[in-house]
Amino acid sequence: DQQVKQNSPSLSVQEGRISILNCDYTNSMFDYFLWYKKYPAEGPTFLISISSIKDKNEDGRFTVFLNKSAKHLSLHIVPSQPGDSAVYFCAAGLIIQGAQKLVFGQGTRLTINP
Amino acid sequence: DTGVSQNPRHKITKRGQNVTFRCDPISEHNRLYWYRQTLGQGPEFLTYFQNEAQLEKSRLLSDRFSAERPKGSFSTLEIQRTEQGDSAMYLCASSLEMFQPQHFGDGTRLSIL
Repeated sequence: DQQVKQNSPSLSVQEGRISILNCDYTNSMFDYFLWYKKYPAEGPTFLISISSIKDKNEDGRFTVFLNKSAKHLSLHIVPSQPGDSAVYFCAAGLIIQGAQKLVFGQGTRLTINP
Repeated sequence: DTGVSQNPRHKITKRGQNVTFRCDPISEHNRLYWYRQTLGQGPEFLTYFQNEAQLEKSRLLSDRFSAERPKGSFSTLEIQRTEQGDSAMYLCASSLEMFQPQHFGDGTRLSIL
């Protein structure tokens, strides 16, 4: 039962162009969504988040869009830089006992080509 | 400012042995989480502590797994009688408030021979 899905295992984008990473979820009870970035041999690093009551959140080159009716989340990176090459995980949060239980997608490996 | 620290980084053991991992969260973070990640998958939630209280456990956490956070600071995750299927990356995360992002450590990679 994969509640959060990232259907693209990999994505290759030219430096300077826009990178769009997608994520779908099935549980309408999720109330918080996040994107994490992961380099090899390191833990996931928080990138950006969005509450379920919003449809857009922007932080510098990173923008997250939420379409609740479609149960779809996307991350836009513009312009893409070589240092953005990493595995990106989307995560959806459920409130349990005063904390966020995160459900992660399988990840998308982003490669930025010079 | 030190982040979440996990030790050891890598543990190799024989099937049937017991192993224990340690996680030191960011100072003053009262919420601590354990996740497990296998190859090609995202992290999967295992358990959660608020201060020293373990408030939630996943069905993934069999009876062979036990986690503690005795003084509400560092936490340990013990796996008894390890099996091949326990081979994974075990990640720890912490947060200060419910809606603040969880910050992850670099994980402990467990390899079962």
